[in-house]
This record gives sequence, structure tokens and C-alpha cells, in this order.
Amino acid sequence: SQQGEEDPQALSIQEGENATMNCSYKTSINNLQWYRQNSGRGLVHLILIRSNEREKHSGRLRVTLDTSKKSSSLLITASRAADTASYFCATDESGTYKYIFGTGTRLKVLA
Amino acid sequence: ETGVTQTPRHLVMGMTNKKSLKCEQHLGHNAMYWYKQSAKKPLELMFVYSLEERVENNSVPSRFSPECPNSSHLFLHLHTLQPEDSALYLCASSQETGRAFGDTQYFGPGTRLTVL
Repeated sequence: SQQGEEDPQALSIQEGENATMNCSYKTSINNLQWYRQNSGRGLVHLILIRSNEREKHSGRLRVTLDTSKKSSSLLITASRAADTASYFCATDESGTYKYIFGTGTRLKVLA
Repeated sequence: ETGVTQTPRHLVMGMTNKKSLKCEQHLGHNAMYWYKQSAKKPLELMFVYSLEERVENNSVPSRFSPECPNSSHLFLHLHTLQPEDSALYLCASSQETGRAFGDTQYFGPGTRLTVL
């Protein structure tokens, strides 16, 4: 599997519900980031969590990081139709200039 | 608007053409990146420039040639491409702090490239 692999690949929910996406990775990291991409557009940074942090909040977003399990989750609370997008996690490869992105979770929020 | 612009937004080219993609960042960053995004594949890092010096070339075919004349501009020169090179090409920038390339990347909107 890929470094920074998201799960599920696709998620469809009703407006107002919470959406949870997961990311697993393989190697040691300094930090992990979540990005959002609207169809055919560039990626927009959502939140960064460092390896010594366990949880971080930003507005309706909550990110957790479990370095022992090499996994992270992104929770979007009270989802809106405008949250419809693909969500990617990106992990840095220690000692390199690389960020490794997964294939993303496609979230659809139905009005 | 993220402060990173890309032109053109759409490009259709034949396999024998030569074209260039342009990226400009207005954020004062010192690192710039080219990524390739194909359908149902992870985002692929192609090139990284730090302070106008190429620091990463991720096994990219020579038909892709990057150029970074200054810290605000990045080009991707294309020649004799193949149909499988059709993809969304994304440019990004970040501020390299010396500790690591560890912080936020700001992406442009991308160039949708179609190779006929």
C-alpha cells in the first residue's frame, strides 16, 4: 500500500452529519497534513499535525494522530454541501524534501 | 486564491509539439514544486527547487524539463510527450525553514494537459 493511504476511497453522507476519513502511513514522520481538493482544482491546505501532537482542531475539523499505529483521522463535523471534495493526507518522508500524498477520499455531502 | 498562479489552465498538444507550463508564486516562498495528478493515482512529486536550485528529480522522463529562473517563477518545458502524460499538473510553493521541508505547501489551480 502507499504511504499516506486514505480510507475510505469514497464517502457519501447527508448534510449535517459528521464525516470521518482515515489515513495510514508506513515510515516515521515529522508531521502529517490534510488537504482538500475541489474537482479539477489545486489542493488547499486544511491542517497540519506534528508527530508530537495527538489531536488538533480547526473550526469544524478535528484531526487525530496515532504514531504507534501510524494512522491519522480527519473528522468534519456538521457537514455542508460545500464540503464536497476530495481529501488527501500527506506525510513527510524524514530527511528528504518529499511529501507523499495518498489517492484521497472523495466526500460527497448531499443537501 | 492561494497566491500561486499557473498558466495556461488548459493545454492540448500533439506528441511532436513543444510547450511550457508556467507557475508564479506571490508569497515570498523559497521552495517550489511540480506535481503530476493522474486519475485514480496518488499525487506524484516530479521536481523540487529550493532557492532556485533543483534538489529533487523524482525519476521523471527527460521529456519534462523544469526551469526555475528565480524564486518566484517555475516552468515546466514539455516536448515529445506521450498520451499517458495527460494529467493535471500542479505547482506548489512553501517556505523552507532549514529544519525540514516540513510545512504547508500552497498549490496553484493546475494546468489540465491533454496529449493527443
